[in-house]
Amino acid sequence: DAKTTQPTSMDCAEGRAANLPCNHSTISGNEYVYWYRQIHSQGPQYIIHGLKNNETNEMASLIITEDRKSSTLILPHATLRDTAVYYCIVRGAYNQGGKLIFGQGTELSVKP
Amino acid sequence: SAVISQKPSRDICQRGTSLTIQCQVDSQVTMMFWYRQQPGQSLTLIATANQGSEATYESGFVIDKFPISRPNLTFSTLTVSNMSPEDSSIYLCSVEPDSLTLNTEAFFGQGTRLTVV
Repeated sequence: DAKTTQPTSMDCAEGRAANLPCNHSTISGNEYVYWYRQIHSQGPQYIIHGLKNNETNEMASLIITEDRKSSTLILPHATLRDTAVYYCIVRGAYNQGGKLIFGQGTELSVKP
Repeated sequence: SAVISQKPSRDICQRGTSLTIQCQVDSQVTMMFWYRQQPGQSLTLIATANQGSEATYESGFVIDKFPISRPNLTFSTLTVSNMSPEDSSIYLCSVEPDSLTLNTEAFFGQGTRLTVV
């Protein structure tokens, strides 16, 4: 079973920041938080991942709370092409048996 | 990064038949995974395919229904056997490039859209 809880859907205005929350209250010390997205009819696309510290790359920022029980994915300037289902996943290292187990995700709709 | 090619991209099959889906990666990888995405649903992991060993299946999936081959580090196949309409789904191949950092990102193919009639 997925170890995360996400809102089913969210709307965001084009050009504004999209903040997608994720709860993972049962996360273990060696488990990472991963974010993927799936644009309609395509395979999932990696966005970002982190362990404890906040992370930023060219796509997004990941803010992880100090107790690691929740996180927020931030798309700083959402565009219409960011409309997708966003998956928050908690997993251990892949070579230690960690697997990507997808929950239902958040369907983000970016509107003009 | 890794580029994944899946074949076929889509197919319509008769019930009772079998379909073999191919997954080709442009680099050698240890870990390959097969997922199923039923209509309107999220992805469900079917099995992990490692070269040189039997595939490891998740709960609810069995080798007789979904046999997997992994002949080398760049290729894998998934067969959907004795198909029924309930097998209509998108089947996706995924790989995780070998890394020394103990955590890495997964790359996905574009999927095979299967319709069973």
